[in-house]
Amino acid sequence: SQKIEQNSEALNIQEGKTATLTCNYTNYSPAYLQWYRQDPGRGPVFLLLIRENEKEKRKERLKVTFDTTLKQSLFHITASQPADSATYLCAMISSGSARQLTFGSGTQLTVLP
Amino acid sequence: DTAVSQTPKYLVTQMGNDKSIKCEQNLGHDTMYWYKQDSKKFLKIMFSYNNKELIINETVPNRFSPKSPDKAHLNLHINSLELGDSAVYFCASSHGRPSTDTQYFGPGTRLTVL
Repeated sequence: SQKIEQNSEALNIQEGKTATLTCNYTNYSPAYLQWYRQDPGRGPVFLLLIRENEKEKRKERLKVTFDTTLKQSLFHITASQPADSATYLCAMISSGSARQLTFGSGTQLTVLP
Repeated sequence: DTAVSQTPKYLVTQMGNDKSIKCEQNLGHDTMYWYKQDSKKFLKIMFSYNNKELIINETVPNRFSPKSPDKAHLNLHINSLELGDSAVYFCASSHGRPSTDTQYFGPGTRLTVL
């Protein structure tokens, strides 16, 4: 069955370090992959989208990679700050006709001051 | 000027009751969605409407019925509420059909069934 897994439920890092979050998928052929941020009590907010033919995408301190051979996406936050603390969700859009967005269960990131 | 709004934010009700959650978007988007987020934070698509037409209808009990009176609104009606319906329900919208378009989420409605 199709599965999207984010490597850990919680990740704690020290302020200033680079946070790396992992999203792995199986039995899936995503045409696109998106990353969202969700704060407690709020809806997810879109951060970045990467297409299957792109290796890397950057936006300010954020970087996403997409490896269709490894079936994995990595999400990096450089020079992390306590304000980056949130849950980060990866989501995939299949290349089939439904093209619906399927989410992973998220990784809760805490950046310690 | 909230982009996607939902009411109510909290809903506490007894088992067996019928309730509705309303969603409105002022972004001019053509597609709207309902998601359910359970206690493990897993976000799952329930329904999607494009220009008032149902395009995604995942396997949800038929006690859940979406209604789209116009492009800007997608309401969710739930009949005969059960304990397992307790979750946070998110409405979202996007410009076109589910594809590369960014989805904009509402603040969520936390439903508690007692």
